[in-house]
Amino acid sequence: TQLLEQSPQFLSIQEGENLTVYCNSSSVFSSLQWYRQEPGEGPVLLVTVVTGGEVKKLKRLTFQFGDARKDSSLHITAAQPGDTGLYLCAGESSAGNNRKLIWGLGTSLAVNP
Amino acid sequence: GAGVSQSPSNKVTEKGKDVELRCDPISGHTALYWYRQSLGQGLEFLIYFQGNSAPDKSGLPSDRFSAERTGGSVSTLTIQRTQQEDSAVYLCASSLAGLSNEQYFGPGTRLTVT
Repeated sequence: TQLLEQSPQFLSIQEGENLTVYCNSSSVFSSLQWYRQEPGEGPVLLVTVVTGGEVKKLKRLTFQFGDARKDSSLHITAAQPGDTGLYLCAGESSAGNNRKLIWGLGTSLAVNP
Repeated sequence: GAGVSQSPSNKVTEKGKDVELRCDPISGHTALYWYRQSLGQGLEFLIYFQGNSAPDKSGLPSDRFSAERTGGSVSTLTIQRTQQEDSAVYLCASSLAGLSNEQYFGPGTRLTVT
């Protein structure tokens, strides 16, 4: 069974701090996506990483896909209250035609002013 | 509309009643997914439709849950004889299901079973 483990589960920091959240698995994924979900809304896609070792930047957010395509990290620089939300990673299996994503349980981030 | 829409946004029902939740995917998206999310938790996969293929129902928690997708577009998730443990947010997502399975979510339906 493919699993994605996210850590930490909860994170509460002050505005301006840096943070990193992790998404780990023993399985290889053909791609991995990061989503952010705000209360009362559905998740919104932030980025998709496809190539092992790939690094993508989205303003203050830096996403990295592990060389072996089994893990990923999200680093936020100088966090803002607007970054508050549930960060979810989702991996797509390398095998088969089933296009289901494997979802982590998320990291709940609170950035305090 | 430009995005995925779901209705109703909130539903309160009595235990034992049936409910129907609706999802309108993005036009042209061939893949449609239903998920369930409990408070502050990750997504629990329920069912997946892809074009005209038989749906993947492997995530449905019991035979009280069913879903259909008519004309390759609108989908309805039906929960029969609702139980209190069915209370959750039900999210629908659609995707082009091309090389990159990027999913676009609706705002969800919050179901409360009393």
